[in-house]
Amino acid sequence: GAVVSQHPSRVICKSGTSVKIECRSLDFQATTMFWYRQFPKKSLMLMATSNEGSKATYEQGVEKDKFLINHASLTLSTLTVTSAHPEDSSFYICSARDSTPLQFFGPGTRLTVL
Amino acid sequence: GESVGLHLPTLSVQEGDNSIINCAYSNSASDYFIWYKQESGKGPQFIIDIRSNMDKRQGQRVTVLLNKTVKHLSLQIAATQPGDSAVYFCAENIRGGANSKLTFGKGITLSVRP
Repeated sequence: GAVVSQHPSRVICKSGTSVKIECRSLDFQATTMFWYRQFPKKSLMLMATSNEGSKATYEQGVEKDKFLINHASLTLSTLTVTSAHPEDSSFYICSARDSTPLQFFGPGTRLTVL
Repeated sequence: GESVGLHLPTLSVQEGDNSIINCAYSNSASDYFIWYKQESGKGPQFIIDIRSNMDKRQGQRVTVLLNKTVKHLSLQIAATQPGDSAVYFCAENIRGGANSKLTFGKGITLSVRP
């Protein structure tokens, strides 16, 4: 299957700071990337859909000014958690796909906000 | 609203036995289904997929069955191994062309007893 990477895998930050998470498709061009959030022992919750060169589409209840998404190329999308607070602590996972509906997932980023 | 759900939260099987993981979906517009495996602390990993014009698809040690009449999807794992222990998610794709996205079930934990 296709390979998707995420960086960093873990990040600990202080409350009020911003954190950027990168998602890369390593061996295919990702026309669409997705960002999910996952709480312990729960399913994946879609936060936003990102198409290369376009503004991201956010799911209901997700603050677009809080979670900034940029999809500048066909292999890179970034999620920036701005002014992070402890309630933003979670496991963030990206996925990528080409023109087919099959999504390939990154390894996830564990964010802990102190 | 329509959703994808799993019948049981946990499944415990003896090593070497066959495992069957079930999933119910309710959206008749879904045209594509995927099973993912997620190990602790990692991103979901693609296992097998099936389109709505099929009722069975086989992979290596895994088989997916689709019953559109009762909107039921199952994943069968032959000769279950300790490495199969993980959380399994079914996902459905609702037709939407370039705007399609996946809806995930709640997840079922498969525990393999040695």
